Amino acid sequence: QVQLLQSAAEVKEPGASVEISCKTSGYTFSNKAISWVRQAPGQGLEWMGWINPTFEHPNYAQKFKGRVTMTTDTSTSTASMELRNLGSDDTATYYCATIFRGVVTALDFWGQGTLVTVSS
Amino acid sequence: QSALTQPASLSASPGQSITISCSGTSSDIGAFDFVSWYQQHPGKAPKLIIYEVRNRPSGISYRFSGSKSGDTASLTISGLQAEDEADYYCSSYTSDTTRIFGGGTKLTVL
Repeated sequence: QVQLLQSAAEVKEPGASVEISCKTSGYTFSNKAISWVRQAPGQGLEWMGWINPTFEHPNYAQKFKGRVTMTTDTSTSTASMELRNLGSDDTATYYCATIFRGVVTALDFWGQGTLVTVSS
Repeated sequence: QSALTQPASLSASPGQSITISCSGTSSDIGAFDFVSWYQQHPGKAPKLIIYEVRNRPSGISYRFSGSKSGDTASLTISGLQAEDEADYYCSSYTSDTTRIFGGGTKLTVL
């Protein structure tokens, strides 16, 4: 069965960077793109971007361009997302998810989420 | 790009049916049949329940159905059960090659 296991919760100071990993199993890693979504406490879902492991050409939401980097490692079937220059409004649970088909359809399998708290 | 528009909350009794609307534009819902719906219980990750407007993934109850008309998509849940109480989010692919979510609807089963 498809599983996505994310790294543990993080506490960061304002201005710092965070990197979250998403280790996948149960399918051929190169066959499914990975999307990243975040959810601030008590708020809705916010799409951050996606990356195709085969082409490694990410597509970022305009809001995060210049501040986010998404990568994949096919040798370990792991996707990672780095967010830089953190502010208090980046406090959120971050999710990785596989995309059902191509990059346009739907997010079919999700990680358990990684809580990032930004606080001085 | 603004989020898709959903009602903030809905409530209904067990056994009833409800429909959650999701309003977008001609650049997202109106342009593509790539609307999906997600169910999220408190403290849990979202779960895909509808993809490509009206298709159910394996294991999702037939009580969940999706449709689209113009720039608006809808999720209908029939025969409401207590376990359906959750937050529901719509999402669409956009002409900017991005993805957008709705603000979410909190469903209460009375």
